[in-house]
This record gives sequence, C-alpha cells and structure tokens, in this order.
Amino acid sequence: EADIYQTPRYLVIGTGKKITLECSQTMGHDKMYWYQQDPGMELHLIHYSYGVNSTEKGDLSSESTVSRIRTEHFPLTLESARPSHTSQYLCASSESGLDLGELFFGEGSRLTVL
Amino acid sequence: SQQGEEDPQALSIQEGENATMNCSYKTSINNLQWYRQNSGRGLVHLILIRSNEREKHSGRLRVTLDTSKKSSSLLITASRAADTASYFCATVGGSNYKLTFGKGTLLTVNP
Repeated sequence: EADIYQTPRYLVIGTGKKITLECSQTMGHDKMYWYQQDPGMELHLIHYSYGVNSTEKGDLSSESTVSRIRTEHFPLTLESARPSHTSQYLCASSESGLDLGELFFGEGSRLTVL
Repeated sequence: SQQGEEDPQALSIQEGENATMNCSYKTSINNLQWYRQNSGRGLVHLILIRSNEREKHSGRLRVTLDTSKKSSSLLITASRAADTASYFCATVGGSNYKLTFGKGTLLTVNP
C-alpha cells in the first residue's frame, strides 16, 4: 500500500469558491506531481515539484496553483472554482534519483463545481 | 501531446482467458511503465521496463518492449474478475522528469 493520502475524496462546491486539495506522503519522496483526469481519459500533468520550494507547471495549462513548503505536503489551490474545473485530481510521488521510476498515487480528489 | 496510445480502447473477455493490451508511443524513451486503475480510484504501478530490456515478467503479467516499433504489450494470463480495471501505459522520455500517460484500455473480465 502506498503511503500517499489525498483529501477530500469528493468535493461539490459552487462557482467562485476557493478550494484546496490536500496531498501528503510519508515516504520521504522529493518528487511530487499533480495530474488531472477526466472520466475515461488520460492523465495530464498540471504541476510537479522536485523538492521543498520547487514547483513547476506541467503540460496542461491549469488555473490552479501549488506550494511545497514541506517535503511531505503538496497542496493544490483553486482561487475561484468554475464548472470547467470539474475533474478528478490525482496526486503522486516518486523517489529521488536521475531515472524516473514508479509513481505512487493517492486515491484522487473528485471535484464537481456547480 | 499524447505519448502513449493504448489499443484496444476496451476489451471484454471471460475469466481464465488471456488479455493482451498494446501501447504505441512516438518519441524515444528511458522506460515504459504499466499502471492499473480501478474505477474512481488512483493508479497502481504494475511493472516497469527499461529501454534496453525486451521482456519482463511479474506474476501473471508479461510485458514486452520493441523500441524499433515504439510499441509495448501487456499480457495478463489466466484473467480473473478482479482484473477488471483500466490499464494505462506511461513513458518516461529523454527529459526524464515526467510520466506521459495514454488513454488506457478498459478491461472487463466476465465471471
């Protein structure tokens, strides 16, 4: 079992609300990632981090922001949610090293914006 | 841009049969990985094959990699109803900083 946790699992909110999706891992991994996945579709990388105070945008443009103040914690924030943000958000982490190996995923946060 | 492309998009078989899923990609890779996702859940890593490897086994899983054809296949032998899930291939390219996923194959194993 992977030691990476996401909360909340499900969130239904109204347009314009600010939301934060939490992601924590207890494996001491330096690399962490946020992917966005629509039903039946592929995963798109929206943010990644190589360590504390390091964050980068991924391939898919996203209005969300992330922070990495502690190794174990990589929260994602939407300042003003819109219906187009409705999706599943998956957090993952991997070990340090030159070669990118296995990703450990959380269970996901399914966001619905009304 | 999408790197991995799985084929078929959906596959339905009977318990006990073998399931084969294929993945094609476009650019050179460092490694290729297969993941499984149960409906509404996170992904679970199944197997990783490096670019200098041709075949790898793990339990009932067998993965092959043909870098000349830029393709990989995942074989699940003696399938079980519990194998019902979506299966994704993902590639790590030369930049080595991210995994790029395909759209996945939805496997249904009927009891």
